[in-house]
Amino acid sequence: SAVISQKPSRDICQRGTSLTIQCQVDSQVTMMFWYRQQPGQSLTLIATANQGSEATYESGFVIDKFPISRPNLTFSTLTVSNMSPEDSSIYLCSALVERNSPLHFGNGTRLTVT
Amino acid sequence: GENVEQHPSTLSVQEGDSAVIKCTYSDSASNYFPWYKQELGKGPQLIIDIRSNVGEKKDQRIAVTLNKTAKHFSLHITETQPEDSAVYFCAASPHGSSNTGKLIFGQGTTLQVKP
Repeated sequence: SAVISQKPSRDICQRGTSLTIQCQVDSQVTMMFWYRQQPGQSLTLIATANQGSEATYESGFVIDKFPISRPNLTFSTLTVSNMSPEDSSIYLCSALVERNSPLHFGNGTRLTVT
Repeated sequence: GENVEQHPSTLSVQEGDSAVIKCTYSDSASNYFPWYKQELGKGPQLIIDIRSNVGEKKDQRIAVTLNKTAKHFSLHITETQPEDSAVYFCAASPHGSSNTGKLIFGQGTTLQVKP
């Protein structure tokens, strides 16, 4: 398995601003993903973070709103841009050590937009 | 697209009793079904998973069963303990994907184990 660390663990931001969330894995992993968990709800996949190329976004999520970087096999960032209160959620970084291995999650970033 | 329904949304049991959480999925091509436990303030933690070529899998007090014909799978926790109290999520891989990172999650079940 992999240990996944996210920073910050929580933040309170004003609407219209942007926040970049960092995700660090303690070992090289094949794939990294970003999920969103809205308050009291389930998890929804935002995008697959591809190393050295543009992320692959799921329906309903766009690069302008959620730009993602993955410069190497252990690190990724998710930016939540031009935030509104509807963006208040937990943002979860996750990773696969190998393509068919189980998915592991970090502890998430709890974002509140006022 | 794939849809995963999870029931019940809340479950309260006495310590020592069994707990069962059920999920149904819509995509018959789904072939990977993990279960996650999420404690307050933490990320989801994988507790058990099953693939479509297996009908049942057990790990100590936890078991998962899969019925491909009916497209449902269940989590069974025996001899529940207060530390089992958490939110449990089922998930399924959509469209028969071999990518176990792209998951569709159920709505979650809040399990409370009363001492």
